[in-house]
Amino acid sequence: GAGVSQSPSNKVTEKGKDVELRCDPISGHTALYWYRQRLGQGLEFLIYFQGNSAPDKSGLPSDRFSAERTGESVSTLTIQRTQQEDSAVYLCASSLAALRDEQFFGPGTRLTVL
Amino acid sequence: AQSVAQPEDQVNVAEGNPLTVKCTYSVSGNPYLFWYVQYPNRGLQFLLKYITGDNLVKGSYGFEAEFNKSQTSFHLKKPSALVSDSALYFCAVRILGGNNRLAFGKGNQVVVIP
Repeated sequence: GAGVSQSPSNKVTEKGKDVELRCDPISGHTALYWYRQRLGQGLEFLIYFQGNSAPDKSGLPSDRFSAERTGESVSTLTIQRTQQEDSAVYLCASSLAALRDEQFFGPGTRLTVL
Repeated sequence: AQSVAQPEDQVNVAEGNPLTVKCTYSVSGNPYLFWYVQYPNRGLQFLLKYITGDNLVKGSYGFEAEFNKSQTSFHLKKPSALVSDSALYFCAVRILGGNNRLAFGKGNQVVVIP
């Protein structure tokens, strides 16, 4: 079956521009997470969606970051007025709802802000 | 705070030798522990998890991990390393309550020398 997909795979933008990253989770997965991975570092939690509940935005680094999810399907992460420190790989993961369930990751979007 | 630590930056091992990647955890209550592998320019792939039951957990690609409650460790092991095992390995623990997200260690680069 299809895994988690993300687009674009690479995005190069100029400082100050807005970018939108897309994630298609595995069908039937109610939980969806966004993480950021800076070069040579671990994963940093950004935001969490679970079904129709209000998202947990506690990991978003600034108000320039926002995310939406349509029901239990596609999610978009938007970064406004990008800065060079936003350069990173943005990973999306989805899972079933139970605590014992592992998260399945997409291939990521590599964002480079010039 | 619930967290995991991966004390080594890089693990070098000769092909055919046993491979061990260390992880210790700090949680209140019973831990839900996971190992992921990341190949270059790829997303994270799930290897194995410990939820409950046997302390020795077997996973993908011949990997296994041993849960040790007294030492609060969850080391990843493989009896005979392959060059293709060279990758970045992440240990993670589920943060219980709230968003139930995964908290990741900083990762270990494994280099298998032919």
